[in-house]
Amino acid sequence: QKEVEQNSGPLSVPEGAIASLNCTYSDRGSQSFFWYRQYSGKSPELIMFIYSNGDKEDGRFTAQLNKASQYVSLLIRDSQPSDSATYLCAVNPSGTYKYIFGTGTRLKVLA
Amino acid sequence: DVKVTQSSRYLVKRTGEKVFLECVQDMDHENMFWYRQDPGLGLRLIYFSYDVKMKEKGDIPEGYSVSREKKERFSLILESASTNQTSMYLCASSGTWNQPQHFGDGTRLSIL
Repeated sequence: QKEVEQNSGPLSVPEGAIASLNCTYSDRGSQSFFWYRQYSGKSPELIMFIYSNGDKEDGRFTAQLNKASQYVSLLIRDSQPSDSATYLCAVNPSGTYKYIFGTGTRLKVLA
Repeated sequence: DVKVTQSSRYLVKRTGEKVFLECVQDMDHENMFWYRQDPGLGLRLIYFSYDVKMKEKGDIPEGYSVSREKKERFSLILESASTNQTSMYLCASSGTWNQPQHFGDGTRLSIL
């Protein structure tokens, strides 16, 4: 059974701090990795995707991928109360159209 | 910008009814997906389609069927609705297999 694991949280950080969200996956052949943000009662919204080892930056967001250790992380710099949401990690295992989603980490940014 | 449109935001139906949920995407995407999301269980894949008239079962297909007669439209059908199908239903689409999936706004379905 291919799995994606996330700490459910809540992860609480003060406004302006860096929030670090982590995700591990079991399928070593996975090729594509995605981070979604989901506000309560809303649908998931794509924030970042990463395919290669290393860092990928987009504004205040940085995705980090380490395939050897089978983890992907999301850093949010200068966290704002509006970043408070559940963050879903999704992995596309090798040879499939399907994503495997983690159950999400709830982030609370305290003003 | 990718636009995935689900026909209803909220829907209330009765047990035993046949229920249709519609999803339309405007990006000429090959792949379309139906998920349900329940508290504590995360997103679970019901069915997906990688081409017109092609479909594959996801992780929880029991009690559901799908239809994809046109590339832009993917319908989820609850053959005989039951209370345990009360959930948030999410449609998504993507281009090639490794490209991001984009979600519609979701349909919150209640079966009474």
